[in-house]
Amino acid sequence: RKEVEQDPGPFNVPEGATVAFNCTYSNSASQSFFWYRQDCRKEPKLLMSVYSSGNEDGRFTAQLNRASQYISLLIRDSKLSDSATYLCVVSPGANNLFFGTGTRLTVIP
Amino acid sequence: DVKVTQSSRYLVKRTGEKVFLECVQDMDHENMFWYRQDPGLGLRLIYFSYDVKMKEKGDIPEGYSVSREKKERFSLILESASTNQTSMYLCASSPPGTGYNEQFFGPGTRLTVL
Repeated sequence: RKEVEQDPGPFNVPEGATVAFNCTYSNSASQSFFWYRQDCRKEPKLLMSVYSSGNEDGRFTAQLNRASQYISLLIRDSKLSDSATYLCVVSPGANNLFFGTGTRLTVIP
Repeated sequence: DVKVTQSSRYLVKRTGEKVFLECVQDMDHENMFWYRQDPGLGLRLIYFSYDVKMKEKGDIPEGYSVSREKKERFSLILESASTNQTSMYLCASSPPGTGYNEQFFGPGTRLTVL
């Protein structure tokens, strides 16, 4: 079983739409959770951390459900520039990261 | 800004060749990592290093070795390249400390082994 599982998509949404991605993880002892963004032919970059209480950064909201072992990312009012692959990342600690395969988002004009 | 650079963006090698992939970071980070990224498999950790001359195996170390002679430089070595090592290789670094710290990635090296 994979450490982190994501729906690969692709998700094709119109500008202005709200879109949500989910991700599940297998290790219940995981301590830290993140969303990274990877543009086409570019390196991954940290988008936001995910806290137990949920957190918001502008149009982006991340939530964690430890009981069900899933993480979500909600993007409101989608922009063309949001088109990218979103990687769910889970850490059991000690600098180890486990990456999901990514969910590809395309925002259409 | 943190900068992580990798020696090549694209590399083509032949089966059996010895391949060196170089990674340099300019932020004095203790931790450095090598991943490979393949479609449908995501990023997988090959090796990482917490300090100079120190290395630890990741999830898929077979067929690879690493070298960390200087703090800013972490090299990935394919002793005898094989076609199944065709992949995108990403280097990353992070500052020290317990628990997680953000990892900063280089632009990647797309290696093709013929």
